Amino acid sequence: KNEVEQSPQNLTAQEGEFITINCSYSVGISALHWLQQHPGGGIVSLFMLSSGKKKHGRLIATINIQEKHSSLHITASHPRDSAVYICAVDNTDKLIFGTGTRLQVFP
Amino acid sequence: NAGVTQTPKFQVLKTGQSMTLQCAQDMNHNSMYWYRQDPGMGLRLIYYSASEGTTDKGEVPNGYNVSRLNKREFSLRLESAAPSQTSVYFCASTPASGFYEQYFGPGTRLTVT
Repeated sequence: KNEVEQSPQNLTAQEGEFITINCSYSVGISALHWLQQHPGGGIVSLFMLSSGKKKHGRLIATINIQEKHSSLHITASHPRDSAVYICAVDNTDKLIFGTGTRLQVFP
Repeated sequence: NAGVTQTPKFQVLKTGQSMTLQCAQDMNHNSMYWYRQDPGMGLRLIYYSASEGTTDKGEVPNGYNVSRLNKREFSLRLESAAPSQTSVYFCASTPASGFYEQYFGPGTRLTVT
């Protein structure tokens, strides 16, 4: 079993829909990262969090340490949000990555 | 700032050939990392360097060597390429090990035939 599991693997949505991507992990962590990988391949960091909730624009990330679970929400989704979203956990100063959730948002 | 740069962007090798992937960062970061990304799998750590002068193995180090040439540069060498090393390689850096976001380079797509 992978130490970091993401669901769903693939997600399609209509523009304007509310999106939720989930991440569960089985190891102790000091932080959890959400990353975005664009269709061209580049990877950017969206959030790093160790407790509670963070918001940046239309993106919200939450984490429940007791349940070892995090969610990434996108409000009012837009076609430019189409990308692969990757969850990664910081375990002994090294990241363990999930396999990603491919999101496609259609106009 | 250019951030994290990688060269080359694309490379095709024949089995047994060697090559070095270059990575440089201009953010004065202490820690640097090499990952590989394969279809259906998450990014996996090959080697990392917590600070200038130190390197350590990650999850999948076999077939690779690294050099932390100075604080800016961290190179990855394939001594004798194998088809199993066909992958996309990403370099990343952080200010230090631990609770910092990682900054990724654009990636190198390597094909070994």
